[in-house]
Amino acid sequence: GEDVEQSLFLSVREGDSSVINCTYTDSSSTYLYWYKQEPGAGLQLLTYIFSNMDMKQDQRLTVLLNKKDKHLSLRIADTQTGDSAIYFCAERSGAGSYQLTFGKGTKLSVIP
Amino acid sequence: DTAVSQTPKYLVTQMGNDKSIKCEQNLGHDTMYWYKQDSKKFLKIMFSYNNKELIINETVPNRFSPKSPDKAHLNLHINSLELGDSAVYFCASSQDRRAGSDTQYFGPGTRLTVL
Repeated sequence: GEDVEQSLFLSVREGDSSVINCTYTDSSSTYLYWYKQEPGAGLQLLTYIFSNMDMKQDQRLTVLLNKKDKHLSLRIADTQTGDSAIYFCAERSGAGSYQLTFGKGTKLSVIP
Repeated sequence: DTAVSQTPKYLVTQMGNDKSIKCEQNLGHDTMYWYKQDSKKFLKIMFSYNNKELIINETVPNRFSPKSPDKAHLNLHINSLELGDSAVYFCASSQDRRAGSDTQYFGPGTRLTVL
């Protein structure tokens, strides 16, 4: 079945850039998502990218997609303490698929 | 204002009890979902419900049953609670799961603790 992998932890200094990586196995993935979960809160959709794109930028967030290698990354520029959270990568297979497959989440810790 | 809301936020109960978690969305979406997030933060889909069509993840025990009184609500009923049911349960909704650009919006979660 589909699998989504992420590293579990990332620690960066405030003001630096953070790069969170994700790999997936499903070659029929159409959309890939990044969600943010703050402590004790629900998942917040940050951004998503269609599989025929290789980059998407939204303010401090840059998503890079290498479809050949099935590799997705989320870059957060000028990381702030408020960015400390767990970041989930998710993929959606083919139009008509109801299911999102999530990675296990990367816990980002921002050091002041 | 809240797009997807769940009640209660916390639920502590004894093993063997029956409980319900409620979910409401005011986004006008057609599809709603229930996810379970275990202690290791791994998210797994449990159900998808669209226009009276229920799709069940086959790994979900039949003690779990979703009930949808209308398009804006999808409640989760759990019978004979077990210790392993302790988790955070997230409700989500999306416009149309058949559309390629469909995006799911999540509720704040319900933390269930079974003693």
